[in-house]
Amino acid sequence: GAGVSQSPRYKVAKRGQDVALRCDPISGHVSLFWYQQALGQGPEFLTYFQNEAQLDKSGLPSDRFFAERPEGSVSTLKIQRTQQEDSAVYLCASSLQGANTGELFFGEGSRLTVL
Amino acid sequence: QQQVKQSPQSLIVQKGGISIINCAYENTAFDYFPWYQQFPGKGPALLIAIRPDVSEKKEGRFTISFNKSAKQFSLHIMDSQPGDSATYFCAASSSGNTPLVFGKGTRLSVIA
Repeated sequence: GAGVSQSPRYKVAKRGQDVALRCDPISGHVSLFWYQQALGQGPEFLTYFQNEAQLDKSGLPSDRFFAERPEGSVSTLKIQRTQQEDSAVYLCASSLQGANTGELFFGEGSRLTVL
Repeated sequence: QQQVKQSPQSLIVQKGGISIINCAYENTAFDYFPWYQQFPGKGPALLIAIRPDVSEKKEGRFTISFNKSAKQFSLHIMDSQPGDSATYFCAASSSGNTPLVFGKGTRLSVIA
C-alpha cells in the first residue's frame, strides 16, 4: 500500500507493561509525526522527526515515552510502564516537506488499552 | 492551554443544508490553517487548507473563510450529504517551529 502503515492496530496491555508501536511512513517522506488522540478529542502532538533527527519532543507527556527513527524511515514509539491514562489511539503521520506547513498523511492509528 | 478553539462540539444538518464549523486561535505566528476530516476507525485526512494571505478558499462544496484580524476561520460545507457525516478538526501551525495543533473536533451528522 502507498499509505502510512501502523502496527499493531490494537494493543491491550496490563498496567506496568512496556509497549512498542510501529509506523511505516510513505516512502520518501522526510517528516514523521506522532500524535495521541484520546476518545472524543483532537490529536495531541507528541514528537516530530525530520529524517532520523528528532527535532521536537515537547509533547511527550513523560519520560516513559520514547520515540526513535534510526534510519530515517520506520519509527517506533515506546511506552514504558504503561498507565491507564496512556489509553488512547496513537496516530503516526508523515509529510513530504520538512517544515510544519505541509499536508500530513495519517495512518489509521494504534489503539492502546491499558487495563 | 488550548491553542485552537473549535465550535460547535456537534452539529446536525439536514441533507442539502449548509454546515458551518468555527475555529479561533491566539498565536499570531500561525500561518497555515488546515481542516481535517476523520471517519470512525480511520486517521484524519486533509480536506482543505488556507494561508493568511487570502480571506477565502473554495474547493468544490468546501470553503474556508479566514478573518486574520479576528483570528478566526471557519469551514462551510455546502449541499451537505450523508457521506459528509464525520468528525472535522481545524488545525494551525507556523512554518517556524510550531507543529500542527488541532481543535477538539466537531462531530457532524447529516440526516436525510
